[in-house]
This record gives sequence, structure tokens and C-alpha cells, in this order.
Amino acid sequence: GNSVTQMEGPVTLSEEAFLTINCTYTATGYPSLFWYVQYPGEGLQLLLKATKADDKGSNKGFEATYRKETTSFHLEKGSVQVSDSAVYFCALTSNTGGFKTIFGAGTRLFVKA
Amino acid sequence: EAGVAQSPRYKIIEKRQSVAFWCNPISGHATLYWYQQILGQGPKLLIQFQNNGVVDDSQLPKDRFSAERLKGVDSTLKIQPAKLEDSAVYLCASSLVSGGASGEQFFGPGTRLTVL
Repeated sequence: GNSVTQMEGPVTLSEEAFLTINCTYTATGYPSLFWYVQYPGEGLQLLLKATKADDKGSNKGFEATYRKETTSFHLEKGSVQVSDSAVYFCALTSNTGGFKTIFGAGTRLFVKA
Repeated sequence: EAGVAQSPRYKIIEKRQSVAFWCNPISGHATLYWYQQILGQGPKLLIQFQNNGVVDDSQLPKDRFSAERLKGVDSTLKIQPAKLEDSAVYLCASSLVSGGASGEQFFGPGTRLTVL
């Protein structure tokens, strides 16, 4: 079946450091890929998405590229801020069988001033 | 635009008791999801509705969990009887049908359930 694997956290960085959170997936067909973010005390919200191979999703300085050859969708940001401290979830939605979504376990990011 | 509403926000019950959660999706969103998020894990889909119909309930423990979506709008998720391992945050989300596999899901704030 389909699955999503994320790097374990927590990840602790200093402000302005470079961020990478790894995400790999297993899926049949051509799923859509997502990064959702959960800020402290808030609900999950979409950060970015990509719907086909080689697409790059971007938002708020974050980027992720849909790599079909490596089945990956790593999240990157060039310079993190304290306000980026949150839990980040990688997810996929299959395009068969009713568009079922599977989430990774989440990676908690702490950014220190 | 109003977001996804859920109630209650918190619930504490004893094991073997019953509990119900309510969700009101964003207006016009035909697809509604219930997820279970155990501490330290990602959300796990319990059931997905499209309008009144169930699209996927393969991971719903049907011996104790039930869900309904009357009139294709509000939804209720019930647990009866509750077990200790049901302690989790229950998330409701909704999306446009037209989004398909690429559609964004909009999440409510969740209901945190503690079973003692």
C-alpha cells in the first residue's frame, strides 16, 4: 500500500540557518504530494503542494520538488525564522480509489533566536 | 469565509463510556474527512464522505466507531464504548470535490479526547 516516511525530529536550528526536512513516499500511480504545517495551538494548514513529477511547490520561502525517480518530496527553506517553529507533515493523495490521503508522522522544527 | 468548525474542543471520559464529536465543514465542500491523530504521529484517515456517501472507511474500527453525515453537510463521529487507546485528537477536514487528488484539505481545530 501507499506510505510516507519523514525524517524524525525534532530538528533544532538557529535563525537564518538552512532547513531540509526529508520525505520519501511509496505509491502506485501518480499521487499528488503535499506539505502541511501545524503551528503551536493551531490546526493543520496547507503549506505547499505539487501534483506531477518535476513540479515545484513553493510558499512563504519554503520549496519542495516532486522527484518521481527518487520518490521524494523534500522540504527546504534557505533561511528559517523563529516563527517557522512548527510541526511539518508530508502527505500524499492517491489519484485512484477515492483520493485517499496518507500523512507522514510529522517533523517538529524548533528555531532559536 | 468561515473555516471548519468542530466541537467540543476537549473531552475527558472514562473507558467504556460513549462520546460524540461534531463537525461543520466549509460551505460548499462536498468531501468531508475524519482523522485520528495520536500523539507523536501523523493524522490517520478514519472515514471519508462525499456528500452523504462513504468513500472510504477501511480504517474505521466499526465495532466501536460510527460516523454519519446527514444531508451532506454536518457530520458526527461516535465512539461506543471508548478504550484507553482511543485517546487522541480527532480532526475533521473538508475539501472541494473538484480538487480531486490535488485538492487542498481544510482542517478544523480538532477535538482532544482523553480516555481514563
